[in-house]
Amino acid sequence: SQTIHQWPATLVQPVGSPLSLECTVEGTSNPNLYWYRQAAGRGLQLLFYSVGIGQISSEVPQNLSASRPQDRQFILSSKKLLLSDSGFYLCAGIHGGEQYFGPGTRLTVT
Amino acid sequence: ELKVEQNPLFLSMQEGKNYTIYCNYSTTSDRLYWYRQDPGKSLESLFVLLSNGAVKQEGRLMASLDTKARLSTLHITAAVHDLSATYFCAVEGNLIFGKGTKLSVKP
Repeated sequence: SQTIHQWPATLVQPVGSPLSLECTVEGTSNPNLYWYRQAAGRGLQLLFYSVGIGQISSEVPQNLSASRPQDRQFILSSKKLLLSDSGFYLCAGIHGGEQYFGPGTRLTVT
Repeated sequence: ELKVEQNPLFLSMQEGKNYTIYCNYSTTSDRLYWYRQDPGKSLESLFVLLSNGAVKQEGRLMASLDTKARLSTLHITAAVHDLSATYFCAVEGNLIFGKGTKLSVKP
């Protein structure tokens, strides 16, 4: 079965610090991968999606970036975090009609 | 631009009652998904609807899809407290989500 792993589970970072969140996929190859952010009590905002290695589409231009260095690895980064970057970050994947979510990373920017 | 609209956004129900959550989307799509999210948790997949007229049921939840109307519904039958959660629909294309419906079932 397909599984998405995310780490870390929780993270507290100061404003202006860098960020790297990792998402890895197990049990499938060549999935479409997605990064979402969910602010407290809000819906899911699509940040980036990727249909393959090195292929990244951005939905929201801001201080975040994403990379897909390997088929089953999707990384979300920032050079300098803002307070507004706080939220619950979810990685999701779709392959062959099946879709699945990772457990999420809760980021608090202080 | 694909838009997905859910309504209502908040729903307070009494146990034993029935209700329907609606999900409208703006362009054609191959698949529609329903998810459940408990507070502080990730999303749990409930249903994947693949074609016009598709209907799927699991326990007290039933989802349907009308691709001509670009509408999906999530029907709740005889609600129980355990169904309290936030429910999202999402449309494939770029897996765009609705804003979610926060359901609270009260005794």
